[in-house]
Amino acid sequence: GQQVMQIPQYQHVQEGEDFTTYCNSSTTLSNIQWYKQRPGGHPVFLIQLVKSGEVKKQKRLTFQFGEAKKNSSLHITATQTTDVGTYFCAGLRPYNTDKLIFGTGTRLQVFP
Amino acid sequence: DGGITQSPKYLFRKEGQNVTLSCEQNLNHDAMYWYRQDPGQGLRLIYYSQIVNDFQKGDIAEGYSVSREKKESFPLTVTSAQKNPTAFYLCASSWTANTGELFFGEGSRLTVL
Repeated sequence: GQQVMQIPQYQHVQEGEDFTTYCNSSTTLSNIQWYKQRPGGHPVFLIQLVKSGEVKKQKRLTFQFGEAKKNSSLHITATQTTDVGTYFCAGLRPYNTDKLIFGTGTRLQVFP
Repeated sequence: DGGITQSPKYLFRKEGQNVTLSCEQNLNHDAMYWYRQDPGQGLRLIYYSQIVNDFQKGDIAEGYSVSREKKESFPLTVTSAQKNPTAFYLCASSWTANTGELFFGEGSRLTVL
């Protein structure tokens, strides 16, 4: 079954509001990646986090990897309509490094 | 331009028929993957290949088959044994199986009539 859960499943926000999606794994991860999939499109890589407690920023996006390396978050400040899409986290388990485990995804809708 | 090309983009098939989805990459990546995406769900791994002439089952391999005869090609066959084949299929590649980002193709949407 799915071992990486994301919450919320859906989020509707007004343009300009902030947005956060949370990714939780049942096991420790060696790294975490984030992808964005626009409606009708394919996933596109955003970032990879490797270190415990790591925080990285990309313009209005802030990514964090938990201290225990079991959870991660993506925060978008002042959302824009171009942020619409589904955001997936994907983790690599330390002892099974051949394949990423994708989260269930959070679909973001931004109303102008 | 380098990238991953999937074809066809849309495919319809009748029950009981096998269908093969094409995936070609010119990124010189060693690893290639096939994922299945159902509405409102995440990506589930069907098969992956770390090197030419070698591949491993993912989490939902039943009813699917693959081959990796060339580095740049990783076709997926959806067989009649797959009970619920209607889905969006995504092919991806990476430099190696355990490092770095996945590069995805644009996907193939299969509908079984």
